[in-house]
Amino acid sequence: EMQLVQSGAEVKKPGESLRISCKGSGYSFTNYWISWVRQMPGKGLEWMGRIDPSDSYTNYSPSFQGHVTISTDKSIDTAYLQWSSLKASDSAMYYCARLEGYGNGYYGVYWGQGTLVTVSS
Amino acid sequence: TVLTQSPGTLSLSPGERATLSCRASQSVSSNSLAWYQQKPGQAPRLLIYGASSRATGIPDRFSGSGSGTDFTLTISRLEPEDFAVYYCQQCASSPQAFGQGTKVEIK
Repeated sequence: EMQLVQSGAEVKKPGESLRISCKGSGYSFTNYWISWVRQMPGKGLEWMGRIDPSDSYTNYSPSFQGHVTISTDKSIDTAYLQWSSLKASDSAMYYCARLEGYGNGYYGVYWGQGTLVTVSS
Repeated sequence: TVLTQSPGTLSLSPGERATLSCRASQSVSSNSLAWYQQKPGQAPRLLIYGASSRATGIPDRFSGSGSGTDFTLTISRLEPEDFAVYYCQQCASSPQAFGQGTKVEIK
């Protein structure tokens, strides 16, 4: 069975670093892009970026470029979203999604369960 | 590409027809547009890809149409489980932006 399992909820202080994870199973991890999506409390979905696990080629949304790092470790079928210095405004639910290509598009068919990040002093 | 969804909220009764709109600031290449449904406390679920193709397991009361810059999601007869927030997303190129969402609520 195909699954994306994300790491558990995190509570951090401003200025701290954080890495959350998304582990794929039940499929060939390097065959599908992974994207990350932010959802702030009570708000809509925001696309952050995507990574090709086969070669770690990455695209970022301009809104998130320089603020987060997306990476993978294909030896353990896991994608990561990382911050070096958290802000209170990073408090949100974060989802990973496996992208599947149809025609000229890449679509989020499978989603992780989400990781809630809370940043508070 | 900026996606603008309308209306922001749609108040309807079960059994009624829902029509949701998504307008892009520039043409979406190859009509690579998706629609997602999200219920409270859940991850989004893909409904429609390629503007008009239903994802696996999606009931046929959901249909997508449109091309270029104007796209529509139609729910032919609302079931109780359809009351949720719906998002469109352009999937042709990076950044794969989402629209701001349309909430379909029970009238």
